[in-house]
Amino acid sequence: DGGITQSPKYLFRKEGQNVTLSCEQNLNHDAMYWYRQDPGQGLRLIYYSQIVNDFQKGDIAEGYSVSREKKESFPLTVTSAQKNPTAFYLCASARSSTSGNTIYFGEGSWLTVV
Amino acid sequence: SQQGEEDPQALSIQEGENATMNCSYKTSINNLQWYRQNSGRGLVHLILIRSNEREKHSGRLRVTLDTSKKSSSLLITASRAADTASYFCATDINQKVTFGTGTKLQVIP
Repeated sequence: DGGITQSPKYLFRKEGQNVTLSCEQNLNHDAMYWYRQDPGQGLRLIYYSQIVNDFQKGDIAEGYSVSREKKESFPLTVTSAQKNPTAFYLCASARSSTSGNTIYFGEGSWLTVV
Repeated sequence: SQQGEEDPQALSIQEGENATMNCSYKTSINNLQWYRQNSGRGLVHLILIRSNEREKHSGRLRVTLDTSKKSSSLLITASRAADTASYFCATDINQKVTFGTGTKLQVIP
């Protein structure tokens, strides 16, 4: 099946630890995105990548890092510098076109700091 | 900062009624999209409207875009209980796609 796979679905992290969320897509999309969603809130853009080996900061990049070594993969690391990391994280991808990027989402990863 | 702001934040209607949600944004855009999210799930794309379009239809959905007012509206006609979800607008500025704060719609059977 084509789609976006995020793992793990649920993750618990101790304070001071880094954690990496996985995102893989087999849609052959050029662009990939990471968003954070807090309960009852909208989505906030963390990082996005339009092409392999390139990525840009979104609106809330502090305390996060990403890499884009392969077209299919866009992992997100939540570092210990992120003061309030408990949230729902959504990965997405899009095929770049002149008409605009229709974004396809994974099912999300719930991160809880314990 | 959020590019888009939806209103109302929450909307409760009876099944069969129409639901209208509005989105305002701050800067010029390439296109605007509407998405739906069921609780705890990923978002699903509903409709895209380009900056040079004024209105678009898809099934029971009607979207309008007014670039002079930097606003868009989503109309869901003849609502169903299954339409209960959160709805978000998203703006695309040179492939940077940002989302609004969302409208939580409840359709009462």
